[in-house]
Amino acid sequence: GAGVSQSPRYKVAKRGQDVALRCDPISGHVSLFWYQQALGQGPEFLTYFQNEAQLDKSGLPSDRFFAERPEGSVSTLKIQRTQQEDSAVYLCASSLGGGQPQHFGDGTRLSIL
Amino acid sequence: RKEVEQDPGPFNVPEGATVAFNCTYSNSASQSFFWYRQDCRKEPKLLMSVYSSGNEDGRFTAQLNRASQYISLLIRDSKLSDSATYLCVVRTGTYKYIFGTGTRLKVLA
Repeated sequence: GAGVSQSPRYKVAKRGQDVALRCDPISGHVSLFWYQQALGQGPEFLTYFQNEAQLDKSGLPSDRFFAERPEGSVSTLKIQRTQQEDSAVYLCASSLGGGQPQHFGDGTRLSIL
Repeated sequence: RKEVEQDPGPFNVPEGATVAFNCTYSNSASQSFFWYRQDCRKEPKLLMSVYSSGNEDGRFTAQLNRASQYISLLIRDSKLSDSATYLCVVRTGTYKYIFGTGTRLKVLA
């Protein structure tokens, strides 16, 4: 497809489990972003990649959160030892470069029981 | 104070009405501005970029006031399909985008 693809669409996990969320950006997009969106709030920045380089991870809430983009295309956001407060929609966005408008995927709705 | 602030609404307006939203930002060095639309349980979608001189796209008009640090979105002749949450987005660095909490719009028949 031509858009940003995220999987899974929904994920339910028990507290303490590890989860991995995948993002497949638009082909050729250099920039990739991860956001966390809680109900009734706007997306909150988590981390940013330019190609394979993670230039900013200042928004990651704790060291349980880890993101990678090893080949400069697909990215994975991993959350270890999940907690209930991790429940949210995780959005991935990509853009041609810095300053360009972002295009979002459908998001992964994560529920931690 | 949040970096980007919006009135959460909801704004309930009848079909055909004109409605305007404002968004204020705190970082005077902000570089780019956007309005995104987000439908319930969907991803944000770019509605329009906001340029210094103001810009229009059909029924939608966006304005930027750098002196007062706010941007606005005007929707004319509201349609039922305009019902959504409108997110104000401010770029404060090369790749740092700050989203507002969004303004909910409900257009009523």
